[in-house]
Amino acid sequence: NAGVMQNPRHLVRRRGQEARLRCSPMKGHSHVYWYRQLPEEGLKFMVYLQKENIIDESGMPKERFSAEFPKEGPSILRIQQVVRGDSAAYFCASSTSSSNTGELFFGEGSRLTVL
Amino acid sequence: ILNVEQSPQSLHVQEGDSTNFTCSFPSSNFYALHWYRWETAKSPEALFVMTLNGDEKKKGRISATLNTKEGYSYLYIKGSQPEDSATYLCASPGGGADGLTFGKGTHLIIQP
Repeated sequence: NAGVMQNPRHLVRRRGQEARLRCSPMKGHSHVYWYRQLPEEGLKFMVYLQKENIIDESGMPKERFSAEFPKEGPSILRIQQVVRGDSAAYFCASSTSSSNTGELFFGEGSRLTVL
Repeated sequence: ILNVEQSPQSLHVQEGDSTNFTCSFPSSNFYALHWYRWETAKSPEALFVMTLNGDEKKKGRISATLNTKEGYSYLYIKGSQPEDSATYLCASPGGGADGLTFGKGTHLIIQP
């Protein structure tokens, strides 16, 4: 049973370009979470999705960031018109239930560098 | 906004010694307390999810306790080994978000 798969592992973008990060949850998991780790900081919650629905996006910046988890295929975190401050590690996690009681299974992260 | 605090920030422990560290969180509107272990260059791995006041969970040499009334949890490691070196994160859901709010972690280094 493969774990949470994230790709790409490393992504370099120039300012103004778009970044797309993909996350395939563990088999049987319908809950997906995205977290961001800025340099020298801890993990910060961004968005929580279930299949085809955004449940909570309270941690997501209001502009340029979006996320989806379609019926088929991976969850995608999209960052439009990237700026240097978007450089961070983005972690995806999945679970069989909400994080109120269910443990999260994390991917190895996607490291975005904006030049 | 939920405040999850961990102390100490880092800890050096001699191999074979036992150690513990703390996670504190708001005691109101408590749902659950998670502990994760994060080794360098890997992804965080769940150790425990605790929900009940007085809960005590154990996995090998690692155990955790939970006090929801006063808002703290302790993680204990007995007879530390070099492979225990990692960052230990605690997290709790709440504060208006469905995602976990993580503490900044305790960075544990076991010295041979």
